[in-house]
Amino acid sequence: GENVEQHPSTLSVQEGDSAVIKCTYSDSASNYFPWYKQELGKGPQLIIDIRSNVGEKKDQRIAVTLNKTAKHFSLHITETQPEDSAVYFCAASIAGGYQKVTFGTGTKLQVIP
Amino acid sequence: NAGVTQTPKFRILKIGQSMTLQCTQDMNHNYMYWYRQDPGMGLKLIYYSVGAGITDKGEVPNGYNVSRSTTEDFPLRLELAAPSQTSVYFCASSLGGGGEQYFGPGTRLTVT
Repeated sequence: GENVEQHPSTLSVQEGDSAVIKCTYSDSASNYFPWYKQELGKGPQLIIDIRSNVGEKKDQRIAVTLNKTAKHFSLHITETQPEDSAVYFCAASIAGGYQKVTFGTGTKLQVIP
Repeated sequence: NAGVTQTPKFRILKIGQSMTLQCTQDMNHNYMYWYRQDPGMGLKLIYYSVGAGITDKGEVPNGYNVSRSTTEDFPLRLELAAPSQTSVYFCASSLGGGGEQYFGPGTRLTVT
């Protein structure tokens, strides 16, 4: 089955700096890679996703890159703000039909004002 | 739309007790899931359903049961609660398989 590894497990950055979280996956058939943000006491919420026919996707201060050959993808947050502090999960799946989503173990991001 | 709702928010159980965690979604999603999240850990899939009347086991199904009699509801039953079931439980739904999942706010369960 699919295996997703996520690093680092914790990350502290100064407000305004950039943050990068990296994930690797094992199943070359995976073609959908979402990122979820979990704020304290809440359920995870999708913030950005990328499909395997795209190398990069951007949404304001958030971007995701995908390297299919190396089987890794990354989340980039620029100009970090205190409200970016949360736990971030990467995930991998095969979109369409039933395929379960495999989640990484999460990265706790702390943005220091 | 309320999205995915879960009840209760918190619960303390004694060892050996049973309970049902409720989950309802109003987005007409076919797929529904139950995850548990242990402190500092990721999400582990307990059970999932691809439609009313169809359920299947995930990674960690032991000690749990589910049913899916309607599209909207996907309750999770804990029989004979054990301390190892202390966790935060999340219900989620998705329109299609392998795509974006919408999560409920979670139920924090403590078994003592």
